Amino acid sequence: DQQVKQNSPSLSVQEGRISILNCDYTNSMFDYFLWYKKYPAEGPTFLISISSIKDKNEDGRFTVFLNKSAKHLSLHIVPSQPGDSAVYFCAASGNAGGTSYGKLTFGQGTILTVHP
Amino acid sequence: KAGVTQTPRYLIKTRGQQVTLSCSPISGHRSVSWYQQTPGQGLQFLFEYFSETQRNKGNFPGRFSGRQFSNSRSEMNVSTLELGDSALYLCASSLIQQSRNEQFFGPGTRLTVL
Repeated sequence: DQQVKQNSPSLSVQEGRISILNCDYTNSMFDYFLWYKKYPAEGPTFLISISSIKDKNEDGRFTVFLNKSAKHLSLHIVPSQPGDSAVYFCAASGNAGGTSYGKLTFGQGTILTVHP
Repeated sequence: KAGVTQTPRYLIKTRGQQVTLSCSPISGHRSVSWYQQTPGQGLQFLFEYFSETQRNKGNFPGRFSGRQFSNSRSEMNVSTLELGDSALYLCASSLIQQSRNEQFFGPGTRLTVL
């Protein structure tokens, strides 16, 4: 039972354009969502997070949107840069109904490639 | 502030052996979580420790165990290693406050079981 899903295994974008990465979740007890960037054989690097009390959070080139009714979140990167090429994971946590803030449930990841 | 550190970075063991991995969290962080990453299963939660107590446990066999010390440093142990235990083991630390629940990851320990 995959509670967090990233349905696009890969995404290819031209430098300077927008990258949009998507994530869906099924567990309504999740109320805190995070995006991480990861290179092979390294630990994930935290990018941005959002609480369920918000529907948008921005940090520089990164914006996360949350649609609670659709159980969907997305990460927008504008403008995309070649250095953004990596695997992006969304993750979810909560504080009720078997979830915990200490336990992140990850999607399978999306490989982003930004071409110069 | 120093980040999360993990030792060793690489390990090679044979089936049946046991292994201990170490994690030092970011200063002031009291929650430490462990994850296993494999190509087939992705990133999966192993367990979380807070104030020396295991607070959450993932769906892994009893061969996987851990502990946390009073200085928040944590260790995980895998006994009777199997080939399928080959993976990147990641440790993450967090403040676990009301509005700040980000987990920050270390570089990982790459375990190879032969």
